[in-house]
Amino acid sequence: SQQGEEDPQALSIQEGENATMNCSYKTSINNLQWYRQNSGRGLVHLILIRSNEREKHSGRLRVTLDTSKKSSSLLITASRAADTASYFCATALPSGYSTLTFGKGTMLLVSP
Amino acid sequence: DTGVSQNPRHKITKRGQNVTFRCDPISEHNRLYWYRQTLGQGPEFLTYFQNEAQLEKSRLLSDRFSAERPKGSFSTLEIQRTEQGDSAMYLCASSLGRFQETQYFGPGTRLLVL
Repeated sequence: SQQGEEDPQALSIQEGENATMNCSYKTSINNLQWYRQNSGRGLVHLILIRSNEREKHSGRLRVTLDTSKKSSSLLITASRAADTASYFCATALPSGYSTLTFGKGTMLLVSP
Repeated sequence: DTGVSQNPRHKITKRGQNVTFRCDPISEHNRLYWYRQTLGQGPEFLTYFQNEAQLEKSRLLSDRFSAERPKGSFSTLEIQRTEQGDSAMYLCASSLGRFQETQYFGPGTRLLVL
């Protein structure tokens, strides 16, 4: 079953604009991770935020986590055509399991 | 390129045939995971290994599926008597083994069952 749900399902923007994607999940987590997947290829890890963290930055990426609302957001600033991909949030449970539970993803299209 | 390799990259088979996929993780990683991804969905966990021990299996992993990691290095995923519903991308990932950290994914094997 899917733990996380991304919103929107698809997002189309112009180069230079910011893109914001949201993720909601259902149960308590140890950490939440964001991955990117280019069409038909493997996933690339972007950023991990732990349950005791509220915000994290990596380059043009900013991730927030609100455990009271069970939600996270991924902001990509100054987007580029190369950012075109599907973006997935994945949650790790606090129980010690190593597995990740993914959402259905947000498809981002950045037009030149 | 994350350093995780999978072979083959594509596989077309007829219903009822057996298929086997291979995953070579990053060499120092002792945890290895298999996921399945269907069109328009996120990856779904199948099974995971700590070294050569298979520690967890999803209920998605029917008895037609078997995975091994004989020497704690590469892993194989075999599907017996394939069905059309097995058509999907099969993804392998590996991690260092510390508590719940980043998983590095391979490019996947795309399976089409006719």
